[in-house]
Amino acid sequence: AQKITQTQPGMFVQEKEAVTLDCTYDTSDQSYGLFWYKQPSSGEMIFLIYQGSYDEQNATEGRYSLNFQKARKSANLVISASQLGDSAMYFCAITNTGGFKTIFGAGTRLFVKA
Amino acid sequence: SAVISQKPSRDICQRGTSLTIQCQVDSQVTMMFWYRQQPGQSLTLIATANQGSEATYESGFVIDKFPISRPNLTFSTLTVSNMSPEDSSIYLCSAQWSTDTQYFGPGTRLTVL
Repeated sequence: AQKITQTQPGMFVQEKEAVTLDCTYDTSDQSYGLFWYKQPSSGEMIFLIYQGSYDEQNATEGRYSLNFQKARKSANLVISASQLGDSAMYFCAITNTGGFKTIFGAGTRLFVKA
Repeated sequence: SAVISQKPSRDICQRGTSLTIQCQVDSQVTMMFWYRQQPGQSLTLIATANQGSEATYESGFVIDKFPISRPNLTFSTLTVSNMSPEDSSIYLCSAQWSTDTQYFGPGTRLTVL
């Protein structure tokens, strides 16, 4: 069975600073994928970044980067130069490459201070 | 990225009634899913909507309560049957074209009185 753990229920960051949101996972699959999604108060789930288990480079998408440490089973999201609009819930998720079933973590609420 | 729409965006329903939520994708996709997000919680997978066959339900979810249709590769519906206040949640559909590409619809915010 797959599992995602996000240990930070809430995080505060000053505008323009960088912040790291933690995510650890557990899986018995050799091939899997890791997602990060942002959920603002409107409720929509916005795809941010994806990392495949066999990808050698850490994924980056604009201000978002994923610090992937396979041996430690961690996939932390780094947001650089935080903006007020980054205030939202952030979910880490894992999917198996066979059946595409995705399991989500509990989420981290990020507050960006002006 | 793909465009996924859901209808209705929100609804307030009386207990004992049923609501059908529609999910439309702008391009054909093999995998479509339905999730529930209870207030203050994370997303929980309800079922995989299979085109041309019965949906595959996760533990704790049954077809009588959450019947799902998938008539083609761009459309699916989820019905929440015989609703109770405990069904008040956001219901989200998602579509996945490959391992690294999964997008969500905007969600349906359901309140049951």
